[in-house]
This record gives sequence, C-alpha cells and structure tokens, in this order.
Amino acid sequence: DTGVSQDPRHKITKRGQNVTFRCDPISEHNRLYWYRQTLGQGPEFLTYFQNEAQLEKSRLLSDRFSAERPKGSFSTLEIQRTEQGDSAMYLCASSTGTVSYNSPLHFGNGTRLTVT
Amino acid sequence: DQQVKQNSPSLSVQEGRISILNCDYTNSMFDYFLWYKKYPAEGPTFLISISSIKDKNEDGRFTVFLNKSAKHLSLHIVPSQPGDSAVYFCAASDPFGNEKLTFGTGTRLTIIP
Repeated sequence: DTGVSQDPRHKITKRGQNVTFRCDPISEHNRLYWYRQTLGQGPEFLTYFQNEAQLEKSRLLSDRFSAERPKGSFSTLEIQRTEQGDSAMYLCASSTGTVSYNSPLHFGNGTRLTVT
Repeated sequence: DQQVKQNSPSLSVQEGRISILNCDYTNSMFDYFLWYKKYPAEGPTFLISISSIKDKNEDGRFTVFLNKSAKHLSLHIVPSQPGDSAVYFCAASDPFGNEKLTFGTGTRLTIIP
C-alpha cells in the first residue's frame, strides 16, 4: 500500500491559465473522489468515479472544471481559465467500495493551487 | 447549508488529560460517521468511525460516541499526547450518496506539554 499520490504538490498560476492535476489512487481501489478544501473549511466533494465512470458531480464543479479517469486507474482534474476563487487545496481520495469501518476513504496529500 | 457542524474551531488540552471534540449534524439520512485527523501539508488521515446502529466505538485511546436522537457525536482522546495536536474533521456518509463524505469545518486541537 503506497498510498494515494498527487502531483504536483504546489501549483502557482496566473488568472486565466489552465492547470491540470494528477491523482494515482491505491492500486486495488476502484473508487476515486476529488475534494476541494479552502482555508478554514473542511474538504468539499467535487466528483466521484467508480472505475472509469464518472458517476457524480457536485454543483461546485463548474463547466471550467473537468475530471477524467481513463482505464479506471489514475485521474486528472483540469481547471480552465483559472480564477482567484479557484485557489484551494485539491484533495484526491480512493476506496475499495462502500464506506465502512474497514473501507474508509484514503486521502492523498493534495495539490495546493494558488491563482495570482 | 452546513450539514455537519463543528462549532469549536480550536481546543487546548493539557498532556495526559482527556480531549473531547464535538460534532453535530442535521441530515437524518446520515448512517455512517468518521473522524479524520489532519497535520499541516498532509491529507486527512482516517482515525475512527461509527455506524448509526451503534452508540460507541473504541480503538485504543480513541472513542467515538453517537447520540442519534440529538444528532450529535463526539470523539474522546485519553490520555492526550503531544502528537495528537492536529486538526480533526468529523465526516458523515449517507446510504444514497455514493459513499461521498460530508465534512465539518474542523477543530484544531493543541496538546500542551
């Protein structure tokens, strides 16, 4: 179990630029989640994949955001035309199935995005 | 609307004493509750959980209590240790939500040596 890996750890970009983040889940985990955390808040759900299928998207995920999980392995989250309000920590999590005592969500260390 | 609330942004406790972190929720559909611990520059780490069919779950120094009628849960840490200093998030899941978690805003726990 090497854990959930996210890349890059930090990203500074200018407003209007596009950015892409990558998440590598724990290898046997078929469920993958993206969350966003801003200062003073808890993580907020963005989107969820089961294998390669994107099954749920939050209303927080505007049309500037797109996520993919080709082949049901790693996932990417792209933000187009970034805005200062997009500055946050983007967290990826994975799990084997139904959240339960034995199958909690495992989080990566996140990508911190700063939009200037 | 904030469905999971942690009303204490911070808490300081002497080393060796009991730390009690509280969490309230409003959605009666929530059936599973978890506590996560977060150190700076790291992602949240799972700590302990409880199903709605139970009122207590214990794991070493950590115990979670659930009061369904009051829609309230608490995390007890005893004895508190300096390494427990972190931000603690309460989270909840409902059976119709694809197992996504709804988090509270967190409580920063500081253990004073």
